[in-house]
Amino acid sequence: AQTVTQSQPEMSVQEAETVTLSCTYDTSESDYYLFWYKQPPSRQMILVIRQEAYKQQNATENRFSVNFQKAAKSFSLKISDSQLGDAAMYFCAYRSTGGGNKLTFGTGTQLKVEL
Amino acid sequence: DGGITQSPKYLFRKEGQNVTLSCEQNLNHDAMYWYRQDPGQGLRLIYYSQIVNDFQKGDIAEGYSVSREKKESFPLTVTSAQKNPTAFYLCASRGVRANTGELFFGEGSRLTVL
Repeated sequence: AQTVTQSQPEMSVQEAETVTLSCTYDTSESDYYLFWYKQPPSRQMILVIRQEAYKQQNATENRFSVNFQKAAKSFSLKISDSQLGDAAMYFCAYRSTGGGNKLTFGTGTQLKVEL
Repeated sequence: DGGITQSPKYLFRKEGQNVTLSCEQNLNHDAMYWYRQDPGQGLRLIYYSQIVNDFQKGDIAEGYSVSREKKESFPLTVTSAQKNPTAFYLCASRGVRANTGELFFGEGSRLTVL
């Protein structure tokens, strides 16, 4: 079974600064998807960014980018120019391409943005 | 607007009672999922369904039941057999044909057992 580990329960960043959230995963598969979801206080899960494992290029969405290291099984999220609205719980998730296409989530990182 | 609607948002239950959480989607998605969220444990999969009239157990299915009689609907019943039902429940769906892999989530239901 796949596992996803987020070793940082909480992180803080100053407004306009950059922060990196860590995620590692364990799998024996070669083809899969990785995601970062954001859960603000409203508790609505919002997709931040996705990465297909077969793509070597790191995904980027505006101020959000990932550092995908397939051999190391690492998938970190970098948030540039942090804004107050970025404060939320961030979940890393893994999805295999078979077996019901279920998502396996990490335990989350609570990000605080300070003025 | 297309989306996923969960109801009720808040629900209180006495011990020994069964309760059903509703999940409806108008995204024309084939697959639907139920997750449970507890503090410090992330999201854990309860049940999922890839097609109408078919569903599979997830990692923590004990004490729960589901049905998938319509493509749009995937209700979750929390039975009295569930030992610790107080939690936040999230329903999600995915468009199989698109295969982008992402799940779309509802706003969740908070269940509290008194």
